[in-house]
Amino acid sequence: RKEVEQDPGPFNVPEGATVAFNCTYSNSASQSFFWYRQDCRKEPKLLMSVYSSGNEDGRFTAQLNRASQYISLLIRDSKLSDSATYLCVVNGRSQGNLIFGKGTKLSVKP
Amino acid sequence: ETGVTQSPTHLIKTRGQQVTLRCSSQSGHNTVSWYQQALGQGPQFIFQYYREEENGRGNFPPRFSGLQFPNYSSELNVNALELDDSALYLCASRGDPGQSFGAFFGQGTRLTVV
Repeated sequence: RKEVEQDPGPFNVPEGATVAFNCTYSNSASQSFFWYRQDCRKEPKLLMSVYSSGNEDGRFTAQLNRASQYISLLIRDSKLSDSATYLCVVNGRSQGNLIFGKGTKLSVKP
Repeated sequence: ETGVTQSPTHLIKTRGQQVTLRCSSQSGHNTVSWYQQALGQGPQFIFQYYREEENGRGNFPPRFSGLQFPNYSSELNVNALELDDSALYLCASRGDPGQSFGAFFGQGTRLTVV
């Protein structure tokens, strides 16, 4: 089983739609969870951390289910500028390393 | 802007050659980590340096090595380049190695091995 698994997509949605991405992780001892956004041929950028109680940042909501080892990202009212690859990330076993999923590609159409 | 800068931005090398990639950390950050991102994949952890010592390593062979300098800038060296080393190489810095918040990346160096 891969350490972090995501549906690669692509997710093709119209502007204004709500879209949800899911991610599972294998290491039950993981303590830190993140979503990154990566535009084509650019570096990944931290979108948001994911907290146990769930957290929201504008149109973005992240949820964590430790029992199921599952992380989600919900994007409401999608914009064209949300088109990107979304990477699910958890902290690794050795100090400092982050483990990335392969990413889920989102394309928002007019 | 993250304050992390990498050079060069693009590089083409021949199989068997050696390459050195450079990273300047964000001011005040004493921890730097390097990642390799192949096309269509997520970044893979190579290693981390804290105060000039390697303190974590991923599943990469010894021909991948690094250095961190007293000013906390860093180098990634790859010897005996292989075609599969073609990838985007990313550097990230942190204030301390155990910080739980996510890493902030430089713009990356795109390496092509021919």
